[in-house]
Amino acid sequence: DAGVIQSPRHEVTEMGQEVTLRCKPISGHNSLFWYRQTMMRGLELLIYFNNNVPIDDSGMPEDRFSAKMPNASFSTLKIQPSEPRDSAVYFCASSRDKPSYEQYFGPGTRLTVT
Amino acid sequence: GEDVEQSLFLSVREGDSSVINCTYTDSSSTYLYWYKQEPGAGLQLLTYIFSNMDMKQDQRLTVLLNKKDKHLSLRIADTQTGDSAIYFCAETRSNSGYALNFGKGTSLLVTP
Repeated sequence: DAGVIQSPRHEVTEMGQEVTLRCKPISGHNSLFWYRQTMMRGLELLIYFNNNVPIDDSGMPEDRFSAKMPNASFSTLKIQPSEPRDSAVYFCASSRDKPSYEQYFGPGTRLTVT
Repeated sequence: GEDVEQSLFLSVREGDSSVINCTYTDSSSTYLYWYKQEPGAGLQLLTYIFSNMDMKQDQRLTVLLNKKDKHLSLRIADTQTGDSAIYFCAETRSNSGYALNFGKGTSLLVTP
């Protein structure tokens, strides 16, 4: 069974540009999570979905960030406009609700905003 | 918010046991997890423990949970150089949709 798939693996863009990160969760998983990892702040939850519905987006930094999950097999995280402080590794993870809510992570997208 | 705390570094010799410690503050934590991250890679789920357990063993890994002290540990027996990585402790709570709250990670260095 394929794991969580993320694309692109690396993204370099200029400040002000729009960036879209993509995620395909593990088939059959009904929860999807977006995390961001930086040296300063470690791993932070940005948003999570349950059955394609956003449940908690309190971790989304500001209005420049938006996330969608149009169906059970696809999610996007968009940053518009991007800023240098958005440079980080963005991880997508998915899980089933039961029995142990184990989350499986994708390989991450390393974003560099110059 | 509640914090999950870990020591930043641990160095052990190959063949010795490693013990990585973690403390958490939220008494409503239901599941506690250990993840491993190798350089440039994603997070690999190693093991987890439910809050009503006090120990779980899985091959070379032993997880101990002291719920009274909110202390979690991961013991790696016969540590190998391939175990060198960053280890993250994470908690999840039933009132937050099971999103993970991570510690800052412990960097384990295994020397020959």
